[in-house]
Amino acid sequence: QQQVKQSPQSLIVQKGGIPIINCAYENTAFDYFPWYQQFPGKGPALLIAIRPDVSEKKEGRFTISFNKSAKQFSLHIMDSQPGDSATYFCAASQGTALIFGKGTTLSVSS
Amino acid sequence: DGGITQSPKYLFRKEGQNVTLSCEQNLNHDAMYWYRQDPGQGLRLIYYSQIVNDFQKGDIAEGYSVSREKKESFPLTVTSAQKNPTAFYLCASPFQGGNQPQHFGDGTRLSIL
Repeated sequence: QQQVKQSPQSLIVQKGGIPIINCAYENTAFDYFPWYQQFPGKGPALLIAIRPDVSEKKEGRFTISFNKSAKQFSLHIMDSQPGDSATYFCAASQGTALIFGKGTTLSVSS
Repeated sequence: DGGITQSPKYLFRKEGQNVTLSCEQNLNHDAMYWYRQDPGQGLRLIYYSQIVNDFQKGDIAEGYSVSREKKESFPLTVTSAQKNPTAFYLCASPFQGGNQPQHFGDGTRLSIL
């Protein structure tokens, strides 16, 4: 039972492009939606997070768009750089442990 | 990394052997979590503890055991009952005492000999 569906599984963009990663959730009781970035051999690092009372949040080059009625949220990376090449996970929670999407592997070519 | 230390970084298990993965935090947080990561599968919750001497099963607890005798330590034992233990194991603890785990260690990669 997968409660958070993430797409695409992999993504290749050129430097300066704007990759978009999408997630959809089922449980309307979720109240916290973070995105994590993971490099090989490392643990995930929190990138940005949003709560359902906000439709958009920006931190640097990273933006979360949130659509509560559609139960969807997405990550946009502006002016992507080769150093952004990593695996990205969306997640959702209701106060305890996080439920993760399956991840998106992003490659930014120079 | 950043207050959560996992060891060892690599671990090998022989058939029928139990192995224990260490997770230590110096953040003074009450809650700690163990996740398993498989390629293309995201992270799945094994066990979590919200306070010393108490812990709860997650979605995939079978074949694993934990203890929480000290606030700063939450070791995970992968028992011989876990038939497919090869994975990347991640320990986490929330920032600022919140309920959402946001801070991860750098993981232990377990393989079968």
